[in-house]
Parts: sequence; structure tokens; C-alpha cells
Amino acid sequence: GQSLEQPSEVTAVEGAIVQINCTYQTSGFYGLSWYQQHDGGAPTFLSYNGLDGLEETGRFSSFLSRSDSYGYLLLQELQMKDSASYFCAVREQGQGGKLIFGQGTELSVKP
Amino acid sequence: KAGVTQTPRYLIKTRGQQVTLSCSPISGHRSVSWYQQTPGQGLQFLFEYFSETQRNKGNFPGRFSGRQFSNSRSEMNVSTLELGDSALYLCASSSGLARYEQYFGPGTRLTVT
Repeated sequence: GQSLEQPSEVTAVEGAIVQINCTYQTSGFYGLSWYQQHDGGAPTFLSYNGLDGLEETGRFSSFLSRSDSYGYLLLQELQMKDSASYFCAVREQGQGGKLIFGQGTELSVKP
Repeated sequence: KAGVTQTPRYLIKTRGQQVTLSCSPISGHRSVSWYQQTPGQGLQFLFEYFSETQRNKGNFPGRFSGRQFSNSRSEMNVSTLELGDSALYLCASSSGLARYEQYFGPGTRLTVT
């Protein structure tokens, strides 16, 4: 089976940079995705890494290293509205390719 | 395009009852997945449907079932409700080509008393 580990909570100040790590144990997967979920809201797709390396989308970047079984989401120029839960997810190879989520990291941005 | 819609948004049921939740995907999306979200367990995959066929299933008991209609709308059913079934049930759709990018609905908050 698959398991993904993320820190449960991260706190940072407005304007700072924060990195949310995701380590995984999996026998094979297609890529690593990141989702954001505000309190009471639906998860929204942020980024996807199909290949090793860095993907940048505005203030958010995501990184994947398959050899290290590791990925991260980098948020720059933090804003108060970035306070939310962030989930990493992998789509399994085989078994129909279901999407498996980490437990989520709650990010609190302080003024 | 309209987003993913789920009905009802809130539901209160008693133990032993059954419940049916509905999901309408984004127009043109043929893949619909269902997830259970609880504070202790995070987002747990229930099942995925594509073109009316269940493509894969998570590790939930047989009380949880689903189906998809020819217009891609999907329903999930939970029979013989237990207190532990209280959760937010999320539906997500994708185009089928970029299955890693899922669009979630607002969810149905189910409370079992």
C-alpha cells in the first residue's frame, strides 16, 4: 500500500517563505499532487509533479524527488489568505490508479 | 463552466438508516471519485467511476456503494449507518486525461446520531 507523511501543523509570518514536506512509501505512482483546503471549503488543486524537479506556479512551487521518496510545496510571500490545510497526494500505479492523500498540514499565517 | 455540485449539503440521520448522496460533475468530466473526510483520518478514497463503471475502490465495508449514470452524475449510498460514518463526503470530478487534477464539490456533511 501507500502512505504519505506530512507535518500536522506549520506556522509562519506574513511575507515569509514556508516549505511543507511530504515523504511517501509507495511501490509506484504516477506523480505527486498538492491540494489546498480552507476551513469549511472544498480542496482545490494547486500543482502536480509528474517528473522529478521543480514546478512553479506564481507564489507556489512544488518539488519531487523520486529517488528520495520526497516532495515539498513551497509558498513564498505568505499572505493571511494562505492559512489553510495543504494535502499531498499520489496516484497509484496499478489498482486502478486511485488517488491517495496525506493527512494534511495545517498552515497558520500570522501577521 | 459550473463547478461540481453535491446535494444535500447537510444531512442528519440516525443509526441503522441509509442515506444517498448525489454528485453532478463538471460538464464534460467523465470521472467521478468519492472521498470521506474526517478530522482523525483525513481524506479517504471511497471509489471512482468512469463511464458508468467502477474503476477502483477503497478499503471501506460493503455498506458503502455507488453508481454513475450515463450523464456522469453519480450517487453514493451508505446503508445501516453507524456513528463512525459521520463525516464530510466529498465528490471530485476529472476529465479522465489529467486524473491527478481533481475538482472537488463542496461536500455533504453527514451527521449520524
